[in-house]
Amino acid sequence: GAVVSQHPSRVICKSGTSVKIECRSLDFQATTMFWYRQFPKQSLMLMATSNEGSKATYEQGVEKDKFLINHASLTLSTLTVTSAHPEDSSFYICSARDLTTYEQYFGPGTRLTVT
Amino acid sequence: EDKVVQSPLSLVVHEGDTVTLNCSYEVTNFRSLLWYKQEKKAPTFLFMLTSSGIEKKSGRLSSILDKKELFSILNITATQTGDSAVYLCAVSNYGGATNKLIFGTGTLLAVQP
Repeated sequence: GAVVSQHPSRVICKSGTSVKIECRSLDFQATTMFWYRQFPKQSLMLMATSNEGSKATYEQGVEKDKFLINHASLTLSTLTVTSAHPEDSSFYICSARDLTTYEQYFGPGTRLTVT
Repeated sequence: EDKVVQSPLSLVVHEGDTVTLNCSYEVTNFRSLLWYKQEKKAPTFLFMLTSSGIEKKSGRLSSILDKKELFSILNITATQTGDSAVYLCAVSNYGGATNKLIFGTGTLLAVQP
């Protein structure tokens, strides 16, 4: 079955530093990947849509200069949280849409804690 | 504005009970409705529904979609403690190249022994 990996699974960083999260589709190609954020006891909130070879599309209220997205290949998208603050602490989940079937598959998520 | 609403927000039942979770939606260019189960990590896929009135079944779980009334239900029979999770409903629309998922707030199900 289709597998999406995320790395790291858990990261703790200090305020002001930047953190990069990787999302990989392991056995299929994805021209589109999605980045979600989930706060405790809340649903998934779409942050941005990442398109291979072009700029990401950000949802309203999401700062593109703070959450940098790069989708350099058909199997890899990265989300970089720049100048992280404690309020950025959250569970970040990516999903990848299969190029051929259009089905979306979720990664296991990355727990970010900013101290 | 597109929205997906789930009810109830939370539910506590005893093992063996049957539960019904609800999902209603208002989405332009509806494509499909999906149910996910989320425990401690990312959501795991349960069902995708595209046609009205056709029940999808997997073990003790089943789901059906009503595109006229714009809602779906997820049924779980003979619940077990392992069914405790957040159940998420999401709707996919035809949004050109993006085709993104719009999630509901989820229903937190707790099954007590």
